[in-house]
Amino acid sequence: GESVGLHLPTLSVQEGDNSIINCAYSNSASDYFIWYKQESGKGPQFIIDIRSNMDKRQGQRVTVLLNKTVKHLSLQIAATQPGDSAVYFCAENRNSGGSNYKLTFGKGTLLTVNP
Amino acid sequence: DVKVTQSSRYLVKRTGEKVFLECVQDMDHENMFWYRQDPGLGLRLIYFSYDVKMKEKGDIPEGYSVSREKKERFSLILESASTNQTSMYLCASTGLWGEQYFGPGTRLTVT
Repeated sequence: GESVGLHLPTLSVQEGDNSIINCAYSNSASDYFIWYKQESGKGPQFIIDIRSNMDKRQGQRVTVLLNKTVKHLSLQIAATQPGDSAVYFCAENRNSGGSNYKLTFGKGTLLTVNP
Repeated sequence: DVKVTQSSRYLVKRTGEKVFLECVQDMDHENMFWYRQDPGLGLRLIYFSYDVKMKEKGDIPEGYSVSREKKERFSLILESASTNQTSMYLCASTGLWGEQYFGPGTRLTVT
C-alpha cells in the first residue's frame, strides 16, 4: 500500500553538529512534500516544503532534498541547536482534485540535541 | 502569519458526555481538517471539509461528527465520549499550495 515512513525513530546529535532526518515514500504520484516540527505539547509547525519538480530547497538552516528515483526525502538541519529538539514529520501531499489536498504523515523522528 | 486556534488546550470529560472541540482559522482557507494523534500511531485523519457545510470522512470517523457552518470555523463533536477517545486532537487548515497549518492541539481526557 501507499505509505510515508521514516528510517529512524530517534536521532541524537551534539549541539553544533548537522542533523539529517530521512523519510521514504511509496507513492510515485505524490507531487508535494512537507516537513513539520512538533515540540512537546504543541501542534506541528510547518518548516519547509518541496515540489516534485525540484530536488533541493533551502530555508534558514534547513535544506530538504528530494530523490524521486528512490522515493526518498531528507531534512538537513545545519548547526543543530537545543531548540531544534523535537519530533520531525514528513508528509506527502497528493492533489485529490482541484485545490483540495490531504496529507499522509510519517510516524516521526525524535531529534534530541545534546549540549 | 496563519493563525489556527482551538477552543481548549486541555479538556477532561466523563464517559457518555457530548464534547465539542472548536477550531477557528483566520486566513480564509477553504480546507480544514481534524486529526487525532496517539503515541505510536502518528496523526490520523478523522474528518475534513472542503467548503462550508461540506464534510467528508477521513480514516477514523467512527464516534465523531463535524460541523462547518462558517468558513473560518470547523467543529468536531464527540456524541458520546468514550475512554478510547482520550487523545490529542489537532485541527489544521490548508494554504494555497496544500501546506497545512495546525492549531496548538486539545488534549482530551475521557474518564
